[in-house]
Amino acid sequence: DTGVSQDPRHKITKRGQNVTFRCDPISEHNRLYWYRQTLGQGPEFLTYFQNEAQLEKSRLLSDRFSAERPKGSFSTLEIQRTEQGDSAMYLCASSASEGWETQYFGPGTRLLVL
Amino acid sequence: LAKTTQPISMDSYEGQEVNITCSHNNIATNDYITWYQQFPSQGPRFIIQGYKTKVTNEVASLFIPADRKSSTLSLPRVSLSDTAVYYCLRNQGGKLIFGQGTELSVKP
Repeated sequence: DTGVSQDPRHKITKRGQNVTFRCDPISEHNRLYWYRQTLGQGPEFLTYFQNEAQLEKSRLLSDRFSAERPKGSFSTLEIQRTEQGDSAMYLCASSASEGWETQYFGPGTRLLVL
Repeated sequence: LAKTTQPISMDSYEGQEVNITCSHNNIATNDYITWYQQFPSQGPRFIIQGYKTKVTNEVASLFIPADRKSSTLSLPRVSLSDTAVYYCLRNQGGKLIFGQGTELSVKP
């Protein structure tokens, strides 16, 4: 297994458009996390799944954001009606349930909203 | 809520030992102390985790005093490639809470 992968690596979009990002976790990991990171700040938790169940969603996540993990494997994060403030790096991570503090991060998707 | 505090930046030279201290006065009894490293344009990477006393792995050592109100990440003989941001984390209900981190710059 080559680790966590994310697609696309970069996305430029115009304000008001919808975007979708994909994350493929390490295959034996049942937990999957989404974070957002802006310049000069640490990653900010958005949501996480255990298998296909979304267990927690940050209050910072507006209703324009939705995440799914339909078969407990890959996950998608969709942002509807993008705003310039959504410009950030979106990071995905995965872990086992036991020892979840050790999370393996993907390279991220850098989003720029014009 | 438990909060971690660490210096925003540190400078060092190649070959030196670097110690980054983090304070976490209100850490919960059952929480572990976890450190991550992040290089520019990459996702964070787990470095080390401990509960108390001292933990050592191939990358770093982690020193935690008995009161657990602080921890010190020790990087032996740093090289230019250790230039990165280092995060001291608190764990909250199944998720990691990152602070601003310490930006370590290693100079030749």
